[in-house]
Order: sequence, then structure tokens, then C-alpha cells
Amino acid sequence: DAGVIQSPRHEVTEMGQEVTLRCKPISGHNSLFWYRQTMMRGLELLIYFNNNVPIDDSGMPEDRFSAKMPNASFSTLKIQPSEPRDSAVYFCASSYWTEETQYFGPGTRLLVL
Amino acid sequence: DAKTTQPPSMDCAEGRAANLPCNHSTISGNEYVYWYRQIHSQGPQYIIHGLKNNETNEMASLIITEDRKSSTLILPHATLRDTAVYYCIVRTSGTYKYIFGTGTRLKVLA
Repeated sequence: DAGVIQSPRHEVTEMGQEVTLRCKPISGHNSLFWYRQTMMRGLELLIYFNNNVPIDDSGMPEDRFSAKMPNASFSTLKIQPSEPRDSAVYFCASSYWTEETQYFGPGTRLLVL
Repeated sequence: DAKTTQPPSMDCAEGRAANLPCNHSTISGNEYVYWYRQIHSQGPQYIIHGLKNNETNEMASLIITEDRKSSTLILPHATLRDTAVYYCIVRTSGTYKYIFGTGTRLKVLA
């Protein structure tokens, strides 16, 4: 049973470049979450989708961040343009329904130079 | 959501039980206690959750005090692979928000 899949696992880019992170939730799960983890701020929820619709994006730090979920099996988190302070580990999680247990992917480690 | 307090770090000998405490003195009646762990460089892994009764699964046991103001996660026979940061989270029933604190860094010693 495949868990949440994220790609790439590691990304190194230069400031100003566009970065796209990808997530495939667990099959059958209706809710998808994007988190960011840094040493300073810990794990923070960025955005939450239910049935492919963004419900809460209050955690998205700036307009440079955007997320989409075109179908039930795929989501992207895009940063354009990227900045060094965006360096972090980005996790995607999914759950069967909104209030059910969330299962996390392995994360994408982003370094913006 | 209620806040949780956990010791920053603990050590445990391999093969012994690891007992990780969590205080959540402001918890309300419809809030669940969740435990996750994060092994270095991996995503948070779900361990167990409960409302007021004690719970057990293949990974761990969760003991919640009768007043629900604190709980203990028990790993019955800790192994080196259990070395991780353990997060205690209180989540309101029907909501999706997890508030991750700083957790307890458990080190299992050979």
C-alpha cells in the first residue's frame, strides 16, 4: 500500500527561480494538506484541500506561494519567485476525510541559494 | 486548541519501556490526543490517538488520565529505530488542524 508520494525529494535552486513541488495522496483520501517545516517555526500548515477544492490557505506565507489540486491524485505547491528564506522541508499529508488521521509523505527538502 | 507541554528530551535503554509524558491541562471534552513521531529526515509518522479511554495498537499504548489533563505514550520495548522526536497534539473533533509543538527528542541507547 503506497503512502503519500512526494517529488522531488531534494531541490536546490537559485533565488528568483520557480520551484514546483509535487504530491500524490493516498488513493481514496479526500483531504490533502501542505506543511512547511523549519528549525525556527517548526511544522506549519500552509494550505488544505478537500475534494480538490482549497478550503483554507491562511497559512500560505505570501503571494509567491500557490497550490493547486487538479484531480484527486495530484497536487502541486509552487513558489515563484523563490527566495532563500523559503528553504525548508515541505510535507504533503492526506486523510480519508477532513477530521481523520493525517498521513505524511517523506517531504521535499528545498534549498534556495 | 489546547496547548501541550512535553519534556524536550529523554533517554531510554534499548529493550526497556519508553514512557513519554504530555501535559494538556486546558483540553476540552471534544479534543483528541494524537501522537506522531518524526525520525530524522522523514515525514511525521502517526502512532496512536485517543479521546478518554486508554488505547493500544501494534506500535504503542496511550494512557490518558481520568481528568484528561495529561497522557503518556508507552513504547513497550524500545529499539534503536525508535529514536525520534515525538509530538503530542491535541485536536478538536471535526477539525483538521494539527498544532505541532516542539516535541520530545527520544534517544534510545544501546
